[in-house]
Amino acid sequence: GAVVSQHPSRVICKSGTSVKIECRSLDFQATTMFWYRQFPKQSLMLMATSNEGSKATYEQGVEKDKFLINHASLTLSTLTVTSAHPEDSSFYICSAPLAGAALAKNIQYFGAGTRLSVL
Amino acid sequence: KQEVTQIPAALSVPEGENLVLNCSFTDSAIYNLQWFRQDPGKGLTSLLLIQSSQREQTSGRLNASLDKSSGRSTLYIAASQPGDSATYLCAVRHGGATNKLIFGTGTLLAVQP
Repeated sequence: GAVVSQHPSRVICKSGTSVKIECRSLDFQATTMFWYRQFPKQSLMLMATSNEGSKATYEQGVEKDKFLINHASLTLSTLTVTSAHPEDSSFYICSAPLAGAALAKNIQYFGAGTRLSVL
Repeated sequence: KQEVTQIPAALSVPEGENLVLNCSFTDSAIYNLQWFRQDPGKGLTSLLLIQSSQREQTSGRLNASLDKSSGRSTLYIAASQPGDSATYLCAVRHGGATNKLIFGTGTLLAVQP
């Protein structure tokens, strides 16, 4: 079945550094990918929609200069947290919907998530 | 703005009990509704998806219902097992071309052996 691989699964960094998270669709092409953030004991909040070959669409309140998204190919989207601070510590999850009939049914596959801890 | 709420926030039951998780949404113009399971520190596993035209979906011990007009969905788990312990999330997709999902607040389920 379709698989979405997210890497790294865990990252610990110092305040002020930038962190890149990758999301890959392993056996299908994804023209769109979604990035979510989940704070402890809270639900997933959509941050942005990543579109292959064009600019990402950010949700209200999400700083696009802080969270850089690149979707350079049909199988890879990256989220870069620039100049990370402790308040950026969170669980980040990506998802990719299948195209075709599955798209109409809203079948999405989720990565395993990345736990970011900023010291 | 669509808001999705889940009740209860946490639930602890003894093994073998049947249980119901609730999900409510404020805007009934949804395309479909989906129930997910999330294990600690992990990604999401899709359990059931109900299209807006459907009333319920079943998979094994799970049954999900949808009452779109009243903005409610329930997830029924029969004969609960310790392995069912996880956080359960419901999510709605709005109509239109977008695949954006709006997630509920989640229910943390603990099934005691």
